[in-house]
Amino acid sequence: AQRVTQPEKLLSVFKGAPVELKCNYSYSGSPELFWYVQYSRQRLQLLLRHISRESIKGFTADLNKGETSFHLKKPFAQEEDSAMYYCALAWGYQKVTFGTGTKLQVIP
Amino acid sequence: DTAVSQTPKYLVTQMGNDKSIKCEQNLGHDTMYWYKQDSKKFLKIMFSYNNKELIINETVPNRFSPKSPDKAHLNLHINSLELGDSAVYFCASSQEGKVGAFFGQGTRLTVV
Repeated sequence: AQRVTQPEKLLSVFKGAPVELKCNYSYSGSPELFWYVQYSRQRLQLLLRHISRESIKGFTADLNKGETSFHLKKPFAQEEDSAMYYCALAWGYQKVTFGTGTKLQVIP
Repeated sequence: DTAVSQTPKYLVTQMGNDKSIKCEQNLGHDTMYWYKQDSKKFLKIMFSYNNKELIINETVPNRFSPKSPDKAHLNLHINSLELGDSAVYFCASSQEGKVGAFFGQGTRLTVV
C-alpha cells in the first residue's frame, strides 16, 4: 500500500541552523513526490515537487529511490520558515497520499 | 482574484444539522478535491471530481456528498453532523495529469 511517513511531529531548530525534514515513502511504482507548506492561518500551498528539481525559498529536496526518501533541506533556517510541512506522494490516477506533517519551529 | 475560494471560512453548528461548504476555482482546472484536516493536523483526501465524475472516494461516510454543478465548483454537503466531523476542510483543484493542487484557505467546521 502507498504510504508516506514523516517521523517527526515537531522539529525545533535555531535560526541559521541547517534544517532537514524527513520523508519516506512506500510505493511500488514510479513515485511523484511533493512538499507542501502551511504557514500559520494560511492555506496549504505547494512548496516544491521532485520532478522540477527546483529550489524554493532556499529549500531543496532530492528523491532517493534507493532509500525511498524525499527529505526537505535548507542550509540556514529563518524565522519565517516556521510552519507545518507535509510530504505527499502522487500515484495512480489523481491519487495523493499525504504524510502526517512536521511542524518546523525556528527559534530566534 | 483568488484562485480557489471556499465559503464559509468558519462554520459552527449543532449535531444533527445538515450543512454545506462551497468551493469555487477560477483556474480553469478540471479536477477538484476535498480534504479533511483533523485536530492532529493529519490531512486526508476525501473526494475528487474530474469533469463532473467522481473518481476517488476515500471511504468517507455517506453523510458526506460532493456536488459539482459545473467544472468550476465542487460543494461539500454533510448530513446529520456529528461531533467527530469537527475539522478543517480544504478544497483544492488541479489540472488533469498534474497533481500539484492549489488549495483553498480552508473551512473550520465546529460541531457542538
